[in-house]
Amino acid sequence: EDKVVQSPLSLVVHEGDTVTLNCSYEVTNFRSLLWYKQEKKAPTFLFMLTSSGIEKKSGRLSSILDKKELFSILNITATQTGDSAVYLCAADSWGKLQFGAGTQVVVTP
Amino acid sequence: DADVTQTPRNRITKTGKRIMLECSQTKGHDRMYWYRQDPGLGLRLIYYSFDVKDINKGEISDGYSVSRQAQAKFSLSLESAIPNQTALYFCATSDLGTSGRNNEQFFGPGTRLTVL
Repeated sequence: EDKVVQSPLSLVVHEGDTVTLNCSYEVTNFRSLLWYKQEKKAPTFLFMLTSSGIEKKSGRLSSILDKKELFSILNITATQTGDSAVYLCAADSWGKLQFGAGTQVVVTP
Repeated sequence: DADVTQTPRNRITKTGKRIMLECSQTKGHDRMYWYRQDPGLGLRLIYYSFDVKDINKGEISDGYSVSRQAQAKFSLSLESAIPNQTALYFCATSDLGTSGRNNEQFFGPGTRLTVL
């Protein structure tokens, strides 16, 4: 059975801290790993990872994929209150996304 | 204008009623999806369609049906709504990249459905 597991389920950090979110996956015919940010509305796309070991960066956010160990991490450095959201990872299998339950991040001032 | 729109945005209905949720997109994507989101469970796939003539069941299709009226329109129906179908429903679209992999999915704003 395909599954995607995210950890931790939630965390609270102070502004300026660094956050590391984890996503492990087991899916048939894996094609890519995607990260989304959800702030009480529709998920918005962050990254799509297809190759192992190649870091993708966007501002203070970065992500990397390990296809051998079947996991990905999302890092957020110098967190700001605007980073408070649920972060979802999803594995693309046969053109469909299998989502994890998400990690809720709360950044306090 | 939003690329992926959903109507209605909120709906309260009673057990046993038939409900239709509609999704339209102007992105020109062939692939469309319906998900439901429940607290603590992420998004779960209900149905998906890779083109107008293609309809496939997802992880949780029981109690739901869909219709792909055109490339731009994909509707989700609850034939006889029940309370455990109370959830946030999202429509999404994507296309196939030049690499042969699916590109990222773009989500509509969601429909909050409450079944009493």
